[in-house]
Amino acid sequence: AQKITQTQPGMFVQEKEAVTLDCTYDTSDPSYGLFWYKQPSSGEMIFLIYQGSYDQQNATEGRYSLNFQKARKSANLVISASQLGDSAMYFCAIFERGYQKVTFGIGTKLQVIP
Amino acid sequence: DTGVSQNPRHKITKRGQNVTFRCDPISEHNRLYWYRQTLGQGPEFLTYFQNEAQLEKSRLLSDRFSAERPKGSFSTLEIQRTEQGDSAMYLCASRPGESARTEAFFGQGTRLTVV
Repeated sequence: AQKITQTQPGMFVQEKEAVTLDCTYDTSDPSYGLFWYKQPSSGEMIFLIYQGSYDQQNATEGRYSLNFQKARKSANLVISASQLGDSAMYFCAIFERGYQKVTFGIGTKLQVIP
Repeated sequence: DTGVSQNPRHKITKRGQNVTFRCDPISEHNRLYWYRQTLGQGPEFLTYFQNEAQLEKSRLLSDRFSAERPKGSFSTLEIQRTEQGDSAMYLCASRPGESARTEAFFGQGTRLTVV
């Protein structure tokens, strides 16, 4: 099974609206972290938000929040008040403590429409 | 420290030539990772180091690929006898330890084009 599944190859959102990017994961490691990264066309990977497997509350970082549903193994990224600069590829990733490496999904391309 | 640094940013080489990329991680980070990313895909794990020890290599890392991290500081990734299929972005990342609570910090990547 894929460790990270992102089922939305592309998404469009109107400027100032909210958008949810889906991510499901598969692991048997009880200690793991879930991460979202943004990759603009320039190519650098920009860290957005983190959720730990033992965290009780959903993570938030400014306009980014993570809808963490552990039983369903999902970690969806919510971007509120979308801006034109949010147009980019978004990658969900998992770090499993037992494996000591970060595994990425195939990404979702988000385009913000003025 | 300004973050993870990779050099060169771009490399164009002829098929059959050898290429070497360098990664300078954040200084206090003992874990260093190499990833390969092709167009439209997420980064794929290649190998990682804990200090100077190379602890894991992906099946993607053929015999033509070798990575080193002498003295546990910077790392190099060498590709021998390059093929057109090696064309990709090569990303380096570092982390400070084994905890799952810390993100990987990425460099800006080296984009390799094999012609």
